[in-house]
Amino acid sequence: DGGITQSPKYLFRKEGQNVTLSCEQNLNHDAMYWYRQDPGQGLRLIYYSQIVNDFQKGDIAEGYSVSREKKESFPLTVTSAQKNPTAFYLCASSTTGTGTYGYTFGSGTRLTVV
Amino acid sequence: AQRVTQPEKLLSVFKGAPVELKCNYSYSGSPELFWYVQYSRQRLQLLLRHISRESIKGFTADLNKGETSFHLKKPFAQEEDSAMYYCALRIDDGGSQGNLIFGKGTKLSVKP
Repeated sequence: DGGITQSPKYLFRKEGQNVTLSCEQNLNHDAMYWYRQDPGQGLRLIYYSQIVNDFQKGDIAEGYSVSREKKESFPLTVTSAQKNPTAFYLCASSTTGTGTYGYTFGSGTRLTVV
Repeated sequence: AQRVTQPEKLLSVFKGAPVELKCNYSYSGSPELFWYVQYSRQRLQLLLRHISRESIKGFTADLNKGETSFHLKKPFAQEEDSAMYYCALRIDDGGSQGNLIFGKGTKLSVKP
């Protein structure tokens, strides 16, 4: 069953801690993305990667970091530098080049800072 | 600058009424547009792409380059259409090839 899996579904973090959100896909997609979804804000791009060992900042990358050591995996670390980390985080993947069919999304991780 | 605008945060209609969710875009290149839908407690999923000119669940959307619009329409709304709808623009310039820019979304509520 191909798809994209995010874990955990819910995550609680104390202020000052770093946390890592997992995103794994078995769709053989080259590109992977992290978005943050806030009410009334839509989806805002945090980081994206179009190939292994390469990634680029999106619109709101400050306070976040990523790695892309494997094609299947694109973990997101929310660092203590992120001022307002409580949000719903979505991971997505897609093919690249022409003829793309849009993104496949994970089910999301809801992060709450306590 | 590239931008996707969905002017309505919330759209409420009665079952059986026509529905139109508005989407306007700003992009200097050749636009490729999508509609995504997020039902309650489900993941965001692709509804339709303008390139395929398909009709999914009775919804259609026509790209109007003159008006830079990609409005989503359905002649007779159903209660199960209640969801959050996002319009997205694929940008294809330089390092951002293939990235999608999303609008802020419109919540559609279909009342019985």
